[in-house]
Amino acid sequence: DAKVTQSSRYLVKRTGEKVFLECVQDMDHENMFWYRQDPGLGLRLIYFSYDVKMKEKGDIPEGYSVSREKKERFSLILESASTNQTSMYLCASSLSYRTYEQYFGPGTRLTVT
Amino acid sequence: AQKITQTQPGMFVQEKEAVTLDCTYDTSDPSYGLFWYKQPSSGEMIFLIYQGSYDQQNATEGRYSLNFQKARKSANLVISASQLGDSAMYFCAMVNSGYALNFGKGTSLLVTP
Repeated sequence: DAKVTQSSRYLVKRTGEKVFLECVQDMDHENMFWYRQDPGLGLRLIYFSYDVKMKEKGDIPEGYSVSREKKERFSLILESASTNQTSMYLCASSLSYRTYEQYFGPGTRLTVT
Repeated sequence: AQKITQTQPGMFVQEKEAVTLDCTYDTSDPSYGLFWYKQPSSGEMIFLIYQGSYDQQNATEGRYSLNFQKARKSANLVISASQLGDSAMYFCAMVNSGYALNFGKGTSLLVTP
């Protein structure tokens, strides 16, 4: 089955650490997204990428950066993790600009202590 | 700016009954798409149904239908013949000229025997 995978389901890091969250899709999709999900707030877009090496800020990019060196892989980087970045992180992909349906990975629950 | 509103934080329904989950949206873009996703306790986001703003008929997918009322800017999800496995969080989302989805805060549905 075609799918989106994320490197970890659960991750515990310390304040100040550099954290990498990896996402891989095997559907040859052009667009990839990183969302953050918090109770009562729904999903909020952090960054997205519409092509290799291309990226756009979403609604809450502060404290995050991204990297897309290959079409199938989209990485979210927390340069210096803070406790307020404790959250569920969801990666998604979609085929192209005109195809809106997004396919989601299983999520990474990150705890920063 | 786009906005998605889900006013029901939690809903209960008895097995085999129908339930309607509310969603209203706000956008000035004439071209947009509306989605519903299901998120069980395991965390993955599952695509349920899509409605385009120019679609003449309401979308249906099995037991799911989308009651699209364009003038009222509402896109309610109707689940017929509820099953215990329908217990989950449900998110309404919208996309217009951009790439990414804007999500509502979600409705928690509990199906009781």
